[in-house]
Amino acid sequence: EVQLVESGGDLVKPGGSLKLSCAASGFTFSSYGMSWVRQTPDKRLEWVATISSGGSYTYYPDSVKGRFTISRDNAKNTLYLQMSSLKSEDTAMYYCARQLGLPRDYAMDYWGQGTSVTVSS
Amino acid sequence: QIVLTQSPAIMSASPGEKVTITCSASSSVSYMHWFQQKPGTSPKLWIYSTSNLASGVPARFSGSGSGTSYSLTISRMEAEDAATYYCQQRSSYPPMGTFGGGTKLEIK
Repeated sequence: EVQLVESGGDLVKPGGSLKLSCAASGFTFSSYGMSWVRQTPDKRLEWVATISSGGSYTYYPDSVKGRFTISRDNAKNTLYLQMSSLKSEDTAMYYCARQLGLPRDYAMDYWGQGTSVTVSS
Repeated sequence: QIVLTQSPAIMSASPGEKVTITCSASSSVSYMHWFQQKPGTSPKLWIYSTSNLASGVPARFSGSGSGTSYSLTISRMEAEDAATYYCQQRSSYPPMGTFGGGTKLEIK
């Protein structure tokens, strides 16, 4: 059974930093690209970052580029999101998601339960 | 960056009624994914690559579309279908994901 379990969410002050983790099990982690997606308090979904299966390629939207870093440890079956210079608009539930390949148009087929990040003074 | 606009934002349907949710893209895209989300849970992949049902999705659901217009259809609404549905696509390069604003579907 595919499982993705996020952790690391917390209340942090503006300008602060936080590192999220996503522990994967039930599939060959090193064979899949992975993404982070966040859901804001008004329920909008926003793509945050994507990393290739081997970790060589990473992609970010402009809203987080330069502040967030996605990484992975395939030996530990774990995905990470290092967040810095946090802003109030980064407040959201953060989900990690497994990404299928090109034949399935990179659909995100499994999602974790989410970890909550609140940025407030 | 492509913008996805869903309509309606909120709707209600009676059991047995046909339901159609639309997703309009600001420029032509080659596919659309759809997700279902119920309160307190994470989104679930529901339809991928425009018309393929994800595992476990009832056959009363279908997806269609091309270019800038895509839709999710429920042939006969059931109570368990009440949820929020999001469309999503990913551009080729840079590989950026975009989501629609969501359609909240309620049961009458």
